[in-house]
Amino acid sequence: GAVVSQHPSWVICKSGTSVKIECRSLDFQATTMFWYRQFPKQSLMLMATSNEGSKATYEQGVEKDKFLINHASLTLSTLTVTSAHPEDSSFYICSARVVQGRVAKNIQYFGAGTRLSVL
Amino acid sequence: DAKTTQPPSMDCAEGRAANLPCNHSTISGNEYVYWYRQIHSQGPQYIIHGLKNNETNEMASLIITEDRKSSTLILPHATLRDTAVYYCIVGNTGTASKLTFGTGTRLQVTL
Repeated sequence: GAVVSQHPSWVICKSGTSVKIECRSLDFQATTMFWYRQFPKQSLMLMATSNEGSKATYEQGVEKDKFLINHASLTLSTLTVTSAHPEDSSFYICSARVVQGRVAKNIQYFGAGTRLSVL
Repeated sequence: DAKTTQPPSMDCAEGRAANLPCNHSTISGNEYVYWYRQIHSQGPQYIIHGLKNNETNEMASLIITEDRKSSTLILPHATLRDTAVYYCIVGNTGTASKLTFGTGTRLQVTL
């Protein structure tokens, strides 16, 4: 299967600082990537859809000015958590959608996730 | 997208087949059934998907009922490494499609 690399895997930062998380598709081009957040013992919640060369689409309730998404190339999307606070501590996971033929089947390959702890 | 219902947890003995059910009674004609799994503290992993025909790959088999209102994911010979949360997701294709994760089934494979 396709490989998605996410970096860093674990980050600790002080309250008020910004943290950038990178998501790369290693062996395929991804026009669309997704960012999820997962709190302990809960399911994944979609935060935003990242489209190459255009603005991200955020889910309801997700602050776009706090969670900045950039998808500048077909293999890289970044999520920046700005002015992080303890309540932003969570497991952040990215994915990239694979396109098969002319129909974008909804198959996503996921990164290993980034565990963010804000002190 | 249609909603799915899965049992919260299941146990399976190692070496036995694990049969994970999913109910999706409100599925529409152009929606696919997708299965993903998430091993603890890792990103989810795509397993298999189907529209109406049964599907098989190197990981699992997917059996979809004729009325498409339910499906079963089959792991033919479960191992301890198959212990994970399994998510059944129903969704469209196309550039606007996305995955909505429910609570899934926590499968525990035991010796």
